[in-house]
Amino acid sequence: QQQVKQSPQSLIVQKGGISIINCAYENTAFDYFPWYQQFPGKGPALLIAIRPDVSEKKEGRFTISFNKSAKQFSLHIMDSQPGDSATYFCAAMENAGNMLTFGGGTRLMVKP
Amino acid sequence: DTEVTQTPKHLVMGMTNKKSLKCEQHMGHRAMYWYKQKAKKPPELMFVYSYEKLSINESVPSRFSPECPNSSLLNLHLHALQPEDSALYLCASSRPPGQPNEKLFFGSGTQLSVL
Repeated sequence: QQQVKQSPQSLIVQKGGISIINCAYENTAFDYFPWYQQFPGKGPALLIAIRPDVSEKKEGRFTISFNKSAKQFSLHIMDSQPGDSATYFCAAMENAGNMLTFGGGTRLMVKP
Repeated sequence: DTEVTQTPKHLVMGMTNKKSLKCEQHMGHRAMYWYKQKAKKPPELMFVYSYEKLSINESVPSRFSPECPNSSLLNLHLHALQPEDSALYLCASSRPPGQPNEKLFFGSGTQLSVL
C-alpha cells in the first residue's frame, strides 16, 4: 500500500516558470512532511519541510503548501532554473518515529 | 561537519565475492540507516541502528549483513549477491527516536553493480 502518492512522475518547465509537485497521504499519524532533492549520482538532500500546524512555509524560491483536511501537500518552485533539474521526493514521518515514507518521485527538467 | 561519507563510490562485484560498504558521520547522530535505491525509484529502508543496536530490519535477505562498530561508523557486508541487488546504496544518519529528528542526512551512496 503506497502511503504517500506523488504526482506528476515527470515535469518539464521553462526557465523562469513555476514548478508544482503534489503529494497526498493516507496516514493521519504523519506529522512531519519533508521534501528531498536528488541529483544523479548523489544522495537525497533535505530541501524544505513542514509540520501540519502551518499551511505554508517558504524558503527562498521554494514553498510548501499544506492542506491538512485534504491530506495533501505540494512543493512550488518559483522562477525555476536549469540548476533545479533533479528528482524531487516528498516524504512523511510519524511523530517520534524515524522512518520516512517516500513518495514515488518527480523528475523535473527546467529548459533554458 | 554535516556530512555523511560513504566509500567506495562505485563497486563492481561478482556473485561469489565478499565486499563491504562503509559509512561515517561525525555529527553525533545516534541513529544510522541503510537504504537501497533502484533507478527512478524512491529509497527503500533496509536497516536502522539506534544507539549502535539494530532496531529495524526490513526483511532484508541474509546476504546483506549490517554492522555498527561505534556511534560514527556503519558497515554493510555483502556476500553472494544477485544481479538484482545492483542499486545505489545510501547511508543516512539522524538523531534517534524520541528526539526531534526531522533532519535525515544522506550520504552520496555507493553505486553497486553485481555481475
